[in-house]
Amino acid sequence: GQNIDQPTEMTATEGAIVQINCTYQTSGFNGLFWYQQHAGEAPTFLSYNVLDGLEEKGRFSSFLSRSKGYSYLLLKELQMKDSASYLCAVRDSNYQLIWGAGTKLIIKP
Amino acid sequence: DAGITQSPRHKVTETGTPVTLRCHQTENHRYMYWYRQDPGHGLRLIHYSYGVKDTDKGEVSDGYSVSRSKTEDFLLTLESATSSQTSVYFCAIIDLKETQYFGPGTRLLVL
Repeated sequence: GQNIDQPTEMTATEGAIVQINCTYQTSGFNGLFWYQQHAGEAPTFLSYNVLDGLEEKGRFSSFLSRSKGYSYLLLKELQMKDSASYLCAVRDSNYQLIWGAGTKLIIKP
Repeated sequence: DAGITQSPRHKVTETGTPVTLRCHQTENHRYMYWYRQDPGHGLRLIHYSYGVKDTDKGEVSDGYSVSRSKTEDFLLTLESATSSQTSVYFCAIIDLKETQYFGPGTRLLVL
């Protein structure tokens, strides 16, 4: 079967750095996506990785290791508005997205 | 903003009644998707469309049907709603960079 694993919940402090991990087992791999979802809202696109390595976009970075079936999302200089759920999704061999259940990130002052 | 709207945004209905949710897009995207989102689960694909009158089933299609008679509209119908279909429903499109963008969602409560 296909499986995406991410921690259910994480807590971090405003101004700090947090790393959210995602491991996957899918039938084929055609890219990995990270989305942010605030409570009661739709997911919004954050990043896309298809090759191994780090992609940096402002305070957010995403890393991929295809050989390990592993990715992480790194959030720096945390702000209260970063409190949200972060969803990991892998595009499989059928070009469908397989979604993790999401990691709820709680930011404390 | 990918120009996606969903209607209604909230709906309360009773078990056994038919319900239709509408997704409308303004940017002529070919692919459109319907997902449901429930606590403890990732987004789960119900149906998707790859063109007018071209649709296919997703992971959780039982109890749902779809129609796409125009490029801009993708309808999701629950023929006879059940309490297990209480959920948040998201429509999505894929842009030219093959990234999915979501509509605002519809909260459906089946009593």
